[in-house]
Amino acid sequence: AQSVAQPEDQVNVAEGNPLTVKCTYSVSGNPYLFWYVQYPNRGLQFLLKYITGDNLVKGSYGFEAEFNKSQTSFHLKKPSALVSDSALYFCAVAGQNFVFGPGTRLSVLP
Amino acid sequence: EPEVTQTPSHQVTQMGQEVILRCVPISNHLYFYWYRQILGQKVEFLVSFYNNEISEKSEIFDDQFSVERPDGSNFTLKIRSTKLEDSAMYFCASSAPRGPPGDTQYFGPGTRLTVL
Repeated sequence: AQSVAQPEDQVNVAEGNPLTVKCTYSVSGNPYLFWYVQYPNRGLQFLLKYITGDNLVKGSYGFEAEFNKSQTSFHLKKPSALVSDSALYFCAVAGQNFVFGPGTRLSVLP
Repeated sequence: EPEVTQTPSHQVTQMGQEVILRCVPISNHLYFYWYRQILGQKVEFLVSFYNNEISEKSEIFDDQFSVERPDGSNFTLKIRSTKLEDSAMYFCASSAPRGPPGDTQYFGPGTRLTVL
């Protein structure tokens, strides 16, 4: 069975500082990993995905994620956080459907 | 840019009533999904649909739920007799012709269902 963990419910970071939102996964076979962002009262917006190839994946809005097979992790990163990045972030692993992690609330403080 | 749309944005119903949530997936997509999210918590898979039939469903998707693609553009989720615990945000998603795994699923804005 596939599963995703996001060990932090909440991440606080100052504007301009780098941010990391953590995700670990458990799958049998090749992992297909995604990050989505949810703003208040909105749907899920696709940020980036890892299917194969380079371990560093670049996505929308300056976000990137690093796939680490040995640590079964897919952490989301951004070099310089913006207040507008404050939202709920979901990591997901894809099989026939998506299995989402519980979400991490990111607060970027001005 | 094409997007998934959902109607209504908010549905309030009495317990025991039937509700139909509507979605219009992206036009060239062939795989369709419903997910739900209770109170901003975890997003949970309900059902996937391809080639006019259910391809996978979760244990949440019991006999009270059904899905249909009635006219080639809409994709609906019906809850026959709503319960209080059905109150949630329901998201429709669709993905491109290659299908799972690995295809990006594009989500609609959601329908907030409130059961009183």
